Amino acid sequence: SQKIEQNSEALNIQEGKTATLTCNYTNYSPAYLQWYRQDPGRGPVFLLLIRENEKEKRKERLKVTFDTTLKQSLFHITASQPADSATYLCALRWRGGYQKVTFGTGTKLQVIP
Amino acid sequence: GAVVSQHPSRVICKSGTSVKIECRSLDFQATTMFWYRQFPKKSLMLMATSNEGSKATYEQGVEKDKFLINHASLTLSTLTVTSAHPEDSSFYICSATPGGDEQFFGPGTRLTVL
Repeated sequence: SQKIEQNSEALNIQEGKTATLTCNYTNYSPAYLQWYRQDPGRGPVFLLLIRENEKEKRKERLKVTFDTTLKQSLFHITASQPADSATYLCALRWRGGYQKVTFGTGTKLQVIP
Repeated sequence: GAVVSQHPSRVICKSGTSVKIECRSLDFQATTMFWYRQFPKKSLMLMATSNEGSKATYEQGVEKDKFLINHASLTLSTLTVTSAHPEDSSFYICSATPGGDEQFFGPGTRLTVL
């Protein structure tokens, strides 16, 4: 069965440093992978999408890489700020799974001033 | 743009009653809406996919008679939790898509069944 793992349940990082979050998946190949931010008691907010034929995507301080050989995506936040503190979820849409995505368990990031 | 609302944001009900949750896309037409539930410190679990004007497709293990979904228009889907029990207490989140790859999520509804 399809399985998604976000390695760290929680990650603490000093303000100004780069936070790196990991998303690993097994078995099937995704058509694309997304990263979301979720604040407590709120719905997820879309951040970035990267397709299976793309290696890297950037948006302001955010960078996502996608290695389909390793079955892994890395999500980087550069120059992290306390306001970046939240839970970050990766989500995969599997090939043939028409618009349906499967979410990872999330990594809670805490940026310490 | 691309705003999805949910109502109510919180609801507390007695065991055995039914609760209806609304999901609206405010500034776009949603061909497809999704319903998720999320337990504390857990990920979002897809419950069902609903397309306007047709029956919802439920995920394995989700009781369709317990969780009634109606997607009556391109901007509104409702989830009714029938005969709710304490184990149904959870955070319910909807999302909507106009047809592309991106899903826009609602703010969620916290259901507490006493």
